[in-house]
Amino acid sequence: KAGVTQTPRYLIKTRGQQVTLSCSPISGHRSVSWYQQTPGQGLQFLFEYFSETQRNKGNFPGRFSGRQFSNSRSEMNVSTLELGDSALYLCASSFEVSSYEQYFGPGTRLTVT
Amino acid sequence: AQKVTQAQTEISVVEKEDVTLDCVYETRDTTYYLFWYKQPPSGELVFLIRRNSFDEQNEISGRYSWNFQKSTSSFNFTITASQVVDSAVYFCALSENSGYALNFGKGTSLLVTP
Repeated sequence: KAGVTQTPRYLIKTRGQQVTLSCSPISGHRSVSWYQQTPGQGLQFLFEYFSETQRNKGNFPGRFSGRQFSNSRSEMNVSTLELGDSALYLCASSFEVSSYEQYFGPGTRLTVT
Repeated sequence: AQKVTQAQTEISVVEKEDVTLDCVYETRDTTYYLFWYKQPPSGELVFLIRRNSFDEQNEISGRYSWNFQKSTSSFNFTITASQVVDSAVYFCALSENSGYALNFGKGTSLLVTP
């Protein structure tokens, strides 16, 4: 079975721009969660989607948004990028809700200049 | 407040030594789940184990073992006869029944030298 895939793997954007990251979960998994990893804050939960509905949201500003499609693929969008948004963005999928084993993708490394 | 505390920031051991990574958690839920993940230099988080709050049995998987003690709110991870390939950052995480999202600790960076 293929693992979680994320595209693109690396991205460089300028402050003020917006960005969309994509995640394809493991086949059969219906829950997708997004996490931000930075050296200072560590791994922080962004949001979780299950069957196209946002089930849970972390403590991030409204510039961070996401959605899930009927095939369980998910996208997250960050608008008006700030320097502090530079991070590794990790997507995880699980069979049901995120209390099940979550399997992570390789991440998208976003650099904001 | 930090829900998962990994007090050891960095640990360095010589190959074949045993090493224990500590994890202390905090929750008011009676149903919760604890996880350990490994993050090698490549960056991808690798799932190691999931334990629910009603199962306090210790688990062993090859050189890996986990000690879950509700009385001390700890879920420690031991690597026996460590190997260079064990070098990575290890994260402990908590998923509460009230929210499900993973709350990660800050991680413990393990370096195993030959």
